Amino acid sequence: TQLLEQSPQFLSIQEGENLTVYCNSSSVFSSLQWYRQEPGEGPVLLVTVVTGGEVKKLKRLTFQFGDARKDSSLHITAAQPGDTGLYLCAGPGEYGNKLVFGAGTILRVKS
Amino acid sequence: DVKVTQSSRYLVKRTGEKVFLECVQDMDHENMFWYRQDPGLGLRLIYFSYDVKMKEKGDIPEGYSVSREKKERFSLILESASTNQTSMYLCASSLWGRFEKLFFGSGTQLSVL
Repeated sequence: TQLLEQSPQFLSIQEGENLTVYCNSSSVFSSLQWYRQEPGEGPVLLVTVVTGGEVKKLKRLTFQFGDARKDSSLHITAAQPGDTGLYLCAGPGEYGNKLVFGAGTILRVKS
Repeated sequence: DVKVTQSSRYLVKRTGEKVFLECVQDMDHENMFWYRQDPGLGLRLIYFSYDVKMKEKGDIPEGYSVSREKKERFSLILESASTNQTSMYLCASSLWGRFEKLFFGSGTQLSVL
């Protein structure tokens, strides 16, 4: 069974701070996705990383896929209150017919 | 944009009741999914369907069933609701063969008393 472990579970920071959240596995994934879920809403896809070592940027968010494709990180620069939410990583299951989700990191950015 | 609509935002039911959660998507997606979301456990797949009248068990199908009579509609059924089924239920859809890019509804928070 492929598992994704996310850390930290909860992060509370001040506006303007930088932060990094992690998504780790002992299994190799063909790709990893990052979703953000705001309170009262469903998750929304932010990015998909496919190639080992790949770095993708989405405004102040930087996503990296590990060289061995077993881990990924999300770095947010100068966090804003609008970044508050649950950040989930997900990857294709063993047979590629479903997504496996991590438990998520709850981010709270205080103004 | 794809829209996935779940029929109820909040639902309160009693133990033993039969519960129907409805989900409709408007982008002609072949795949549809039902997840439940619990704090600290992430999203766990209950059932999915890759075609009309087709269904596959996910990781936690016990106590649930599904129905997909039309392509755009995927229903989750709790045959006899129990308190441990109190949870947030999320429906999602994706294109055929694209299991990695899901579009989610806003969720139904179900409380079973």
